[in-house]
Amino acid sequence: DSGVTQTPKHLITATGQRVTLRCSPRSGDLSVYWYQQSLDQGLQFLIQYYNGEERAKGNILERFSAQQFPDLHSELNLSSLELGDSALYFCASSPRGSRGTGELFFGEGSRLTVL
Amino acid sequence: AQSVTQLGSHVSVSEGALVLLRCNYSSSVPPYLFWYVQYPNQGLQLLLKYTTGATLVKGINGFEAEFKKSETSFHLTKPSAHMSDAAEYFCAVSEKAGTALIFGKGTTLSVSS
Repeated sequence: DSGVTQTPKHLITATGQRVTLRCSPRSGDLSVYWYQQSLDQGLQFLIQYYNGEERAKGNILERFSAQQFPDLHSELNLSSLELGDSALYFCASSPRGSRGTGELFFGEGSRLTVL
Repeated sequence: AQSVTQLGSHVSVSEGALVLLRCNYSSSVPPYLFWYVQYPNQGLQLLLKYTTGATLVKGINGFEAEFKKSETSFHLTKPSAHMSDAAEYFCAVSEKAGTALIFGKGTTLSVSS
């Protein structure tokens, strides 16, 4: 158990809909990262938040957005869903930069299926 | 920009045989390097990491990897494969602690009896 909690574990929805994925980082970790894992693209970094503020952006679509709340949990919002958005979405967390050795701790993922 | 190339999307070995999974990276700064393992329907678990210091790093479950700067490689090895090692393995790179990891496309390891 990594200590990172993601909900829901599975989600099935239709094209054009909007969903929200939730992540609680490990206790004390200030950074949250979102990744998308699909068969064709592999593990793609989407976005990072640090203590409530956006820190880095990766290959995140404009239809996707995220935020980190004062209690440090994070939400990833996916809108106008397309079939190609079907994937496993991972959340990861890490301690503050100077206190960590770089590794990320991953949750078990949220599997999104768009029909 | 950083990148990772994992040679071989699928590696098959017999139980007891040597496991060698290849990883090459590209980085403009001294890299932080990682190997993660993913079992079916689970998240990613850290096997081992290199940040600074000794270039041969040992991880969990008998795995080890060697950082070779001249070859920009960080290959993962295990002397004797076990059936329970069957999983997908990812190599990753980052610039420093507190930044996102960039992952390779992964290598699926199959172990036969």
